Amino acid sequence: DGGITQSPKYLFRKEGQNVTLSCEQNLNHDAMYWYRQDPGQGLRLIYYSQIVNDFQKGDIAEGYSVSREKKESFPLTVTSAQKNPTAFYLCASSLRLSDTQYFGPGTRLTVL
Amino acid sequence: KNEVEQSPQNLTAQEGEFITINCSYSVGISALHWLQQHPGGGIVSLFMLSSGKKKHGRLIATINIQEKHSSLHITASHPRDSAVYICAVVTGNQFYFGTGTSLTVIP
Repeated sequence: DGGITQSPKYLFRKEGQNVTLSCEQNLNHDAMYWYRQDPGQGLRLIYYSQIVNDFQKGDIAEGYSVSREKKESFPLTVTSAQKNPTAFYLCASSLRLSDTQYFGPGTRLTVL
Repeated sequence: KNEVEQSPQNLTAQEGEFITINCSYSVGISALHWLQQHPGGGIVSLFMLSSGKKKHGRLIATINIQEKHSSLHITASHPRDSAVYICAVVTGNQFYFGTGTSLTVIP
């Protein structure tokens, strides 16, 4: 089955720890994205990548880092510098930038 | 200031009603997307528009580029349509999302 997967679905971490969220797609898409969703707010773009070995900051990149070493994978690291990391994180991919995006099921991160 | 405004924020309808959700934006765009988010959090892309009108089943999306406005219509609404509907616009490499319209369809 083609699709985009995120793991885990729920993640708990202690304050001050870095944590990496996984995102994998087998759709052969060039572009991948990471979004953050908070209650009552729209999706906010953290980082995006148009192609392997390239990525760009979105609106709220501070406290986050990404890598794009493989076309299929776009992991997001939430660092201890992120002041309010508790949120719902969504990964998406599209054939090219601005094409229809396909979303993963999301990871709900709670920092205790 | 939000680049994308949706209305209404919340909407309750009786099964079978015709529903309209509106999206206005303030930037020049290359594309507009309508997304559906179910209570579990999963998001599905419904439409991508750059002009005119698209139809898929009971869903119709229209866009007026001059007025910077798009509408999503649901005909013969059903309880399974209950979800949050999100409008998103793309301008260059920038993405802007509305805060969503929460729709509840009552049997």
